[in-house]
Amino acid sequence: EAQVTQNPRYLITVTGKKLTVTCSQNMNHEYMSWYRQDPGLGLRQIYYSMNVEVTDKGDVPEGYKVSRKEKRNFPLILESPSPNQTSLYFCASSLGRVNTEAFFGQGTRLTVV
Amino acid sequence: AQSVTQLDSQVPVFEEAPVELRCNYSSSVSVYLFWYVQYPNQGLQLLLKYLSGSTLVKGINGFEAEFNKSQTSFHLRKPSVHISDTAEYFCAVTRGGATNKLIFGTGTLLAVQP
Repeated sequence: EAQVTQNPRYLITVTGKKLTVTCSQNMNHEYMSWYRQDPGLGLRQIYYSMNVEVTDKGDVPEGYKVSRKEKRNFPLILESPSPNQTSLYFCASSLGRVNTEAFFGQGTRLTVV
Repeated sequence: AQSVTQLDSQVPVFEEAPVELRCNYSSSVSVYLFWYVQYPNQGLQLLLKYLSGSTLVKGINGFEAEFNKSQTSFHLRKPSVHISDTAEYFCAVTRGGATNKLIFGTGTLLAVQP
């Protein structure tokens, strides 16, 4: 089954404690992105990747890092989480430029206290 | 720059009634348009998309949308809603290209009441 898998689904952590949210897709997609969803703001792109070892900032990259060492995986790293990063995070992947349909993971609800 | 406006944050409707969720976009170039649905505690699922061709697009679960270039709108409609349609609906736009970035609206919660 074609899918994007995120882990964990729920996470509560303390300010400053490094964490990683994993994302994996099994569709051989080139493009992967991370979004955060906040009430009243919709989804905003954090980072994206066009292929292995190619990543770039989205609209709200501050406080986040990503890596793309393998085509299927695109982890999101919070080196020093802060309460304003409490949010619902989604990973998405898509095939390429001519097919822009994005497939989304189930989401990770992060709370930073 | 592109942007998407969903004016209605919440739309209450009775079961079996018709519904229209509004979406307007702004862009100086050609765009691709999407509607995604988010059921409670789930990720986003594609409802339908407009890439080119016919301006009336049919999607899953009986939804359809009409692309209106002159009014820069892409409203979502369903002639008869069910309780199971209760969800948040997001309109999104992208130019495609290198970044493949989706610009989302703020979402509309469709609340179907019995």
